Amino acid sequence: AQSVTQPDIHITVSEGASLELRCNYSYGATPYLFWYVQSPGQGLQLLLKYFSGDTLVQGIKGFEAEFKRSQSSFNLRKPSVHWSDAAEYFCAVGATGGGNKLTFGTGTQLKVEL
Amino acid sequence: DGGITQSPKYLFRKEGQNVTLSCEQNLNHDAMYWYRQDPGQGLRLIYYSQIVNDFQKGDIAEGYSVSREKKESFPLTVTSAQKNPTAFYLCASSGGLHYEQYFGPGTRLTVT
Repeated sequence: AQSVTQPDIHITVSEGASLELRCNYSYGATPYLFWYVQSPGQGLQLLLKYFSGDTLVQGIKGFEAEFKRSQSSFNLRKPSVHWSDAAEYFCAVGATGGGNKLTFGTGTQLKVEL
Repeated sequence: DGGITQSPKYLFRKEGQNVTLSCEQNLNHDAMYWYRQDPGQGLRLIYYSQIVNDFQKGDIAEGYSVSREKKESFPLTVTSAQKNPTAFYLCASSGGLHYEQYFGPGTRLTVT
């Protein structure tokens, strides 16, 4: 069975600083990987996704993520964080077959200091 | 404007009562999902449905029930058998080739 680990529960960065959120996955085959963002009391919004091909994927709001098979990682990055990026971020891995289910990490809460 | 709607946004019930949460999508997606979210635990899958009139249990189905009579609708009933029903409930749908799911705004259920 697949699993996802987000080792950082909370991260605080200053506005304008760079950001990297870590995600490690466990899955036997080539995974489908996703990053979602959630503002308080809201649903999840898809930031970006990786299926195959180029290991660096671009998403919305200036985010990007890099798939590294050798490290089983899919870290999310942003060169310059804005105060509006404060939210909770979830990494997820997709399972082939079995209902298109996703397994989510426990999330990383991002705080942005002005 | 395509999307997923959940209603109501806030729901309050007394212990021992069943309650039904609504989820509707107009994305023409075949698959729909219900998740429960508790602080620090991420999202846990309750039930999912890949096609009309068919659904499967997720990881925490006990105390919940669903139906899928229409492609657009996937209501979730939280029964009195659910020991700790107070939570944030999220509905999602999927119709893409690569399993991306799209989420509704959620319903916060409080049972006292």
